[in-house]
Amino acid sequence: DILLTQTPLSSPVTLGQPASFSCTSSQGLLHSDGNTYLSWFQQRPGQPPRLLVYKIFNRFSGVPDRFSGSGAGTNFTLKISRVEAEDVGVYYCMQATELMYTFGQGTKLEIK
Amino acid sequence: QVHLLQSGAEVRKPGASVKVSCKASGYVFANYPIHWMRQAPGERLEWMGWINAGTGSTKYSRRFQGRITFTRDAPANIAYLDLSSLRSDDTAIYFCARFRFGYNLDYWGQGTLVTVSS
Repeated sequence: DILLTQTPLSSPVTLGQPASFSCTSSQGLLHSDGNTYLSWFQQRPGQPPRLLVYKIFNRFSGVPDRFSGSGAGTNFTLKISRVEAEDVGVYYCMQATELMYTFGQGTKLEIK
Repeated sequence: QVHLLQSGAEVRKPGASVKVSCKASGYVFANYPIHWMRQAPGERLEWMGWINAGTGSTKYSRRFQGRITFTRDAPANIAYLDLSSLRSDDTAIYFCARFRFGYNLDYWGQGTLVTVSS
């Protein structure tokens, strides 16, 4: 199975400052159809995961433009340009290139 | 709007089975597969498999092969997860999510806590 490793595990950030989360895959995520099925989810405390970004950089409906995804191959990044209080939670990457979907272990965003 | 409503928390003894439901609304149920994931305490999300809500065909994660069954009641817009031979390490929150081609898992249920304890 593809292993996704996220760093850091915890990210204390000051309100209004940027945040960046990294996701590294044990193998390339480029699918034979030409797409890279790497998504990012936000999970607020007590809530289910919420889709933020799909296929590396596409923001899902209703997701603020302060969230942006980038990367290719085995290295991917989610950035928040200016952290707001509502952004507190755990951020997960997920790959769906291989049918056995796998998730990263998550990065916890906390406010300093 | 799309909504997935899951059944309530369950407590089971080791060796028992549990059935979790996921009722969909706000879209044509048969047109979108339902995936199942779980999240054990302190662990990362784990993908369990999916069911084609239209045809009923299924795909299971190797980790659960033989212990899980996905079914659906298409007229009622409900998907089900059956997990048998429960162990203490099956204690987790179980989630259903809709799969939309090109977007992947776009809407999730609220989660169902299953506790396995003697």
